[in-house]
Amino acid sequence: GAVVSQHPSWVICKSGTSVKIECRSLDFQATTMFWYRQFPKQSLMLMATSNEGSKATYEQGVEKDKFLINHASLTLSTLTVTSAHPEDSSFYICSAYPSGRLSYEQYFGPGTRLTVT
Amino acid sequence: TQLLEQSPQFLSIQEGENLTVYCNSSSVFSSLQWYRQEPGEGPVLLVTVVTGGEVKKLKRLTFQFGDARKDSSLHITAAQPGDTGLYLCAGGRGNTGKLIFGQGTTLQVKP
Repeated sequence: GAVVSQHPSWVICKSGTSVKIECRSLDFQATTMFWYRQFPKQSLMLMATSNEGSKATYEQGVEKDKFLINHASLTLSTLTVTSAHPEDSSFYICSAYPSGRLSYEQYFGPGTRLTVT
Repeated sequence: TQLLEQSPQFLSIQEGENLTVYCNSSSVFSSLQWYRQEPGEGPVLLVTVVTGGEVKKLKRLTFQFGDARKDSSLHITAAQPGDTGLYLCAGGRGNTGKLIFGQGTTLQVKP
């Protein structure tokens, strides 16, 4: 149990276009999901907290208009990178926090490799 | 300011050696989790510790949570090449589910 999927697993797009990444909890409901960014051989950097039915909470320094987050259901959150530029190229990872569970454990998706040319 | 200081950040050892990774903070955490991540994949949860002084064992891996819940360690006995990867500690605070990650330790075990 506790499986999180991400789609696509990798994407290449041209500068100026937008890219949508999906994060799904497959066998549990998640009121809260998190989006991270990771550079090679570095740790995870939290970008935003996605809450079902409400606005996402962004970490300091993360542009909310550039990284649009929508958490439309208890099993799906999406991250849209708008007007992508080469510096947005990175590994994006989501995680889901099971609803109603008295635990601090998050379950991570396999990540999405974004390359902007 | 890094809330969770993880050390060492890089470690290259021979198969069969033992190693310890440390995760330290001046802040108290409700829980401390350890993850292992392979290149191109998401982190996989190894263990969660929540009680000060708690020790958990997972085969050759031993995890400890400090008495004051500010620090943790991961000890690997007789490391194997399959242990190679990025090890991440992450602290949880409150009930938001939000985790604070350490810088990560890249471990390479040579055969």
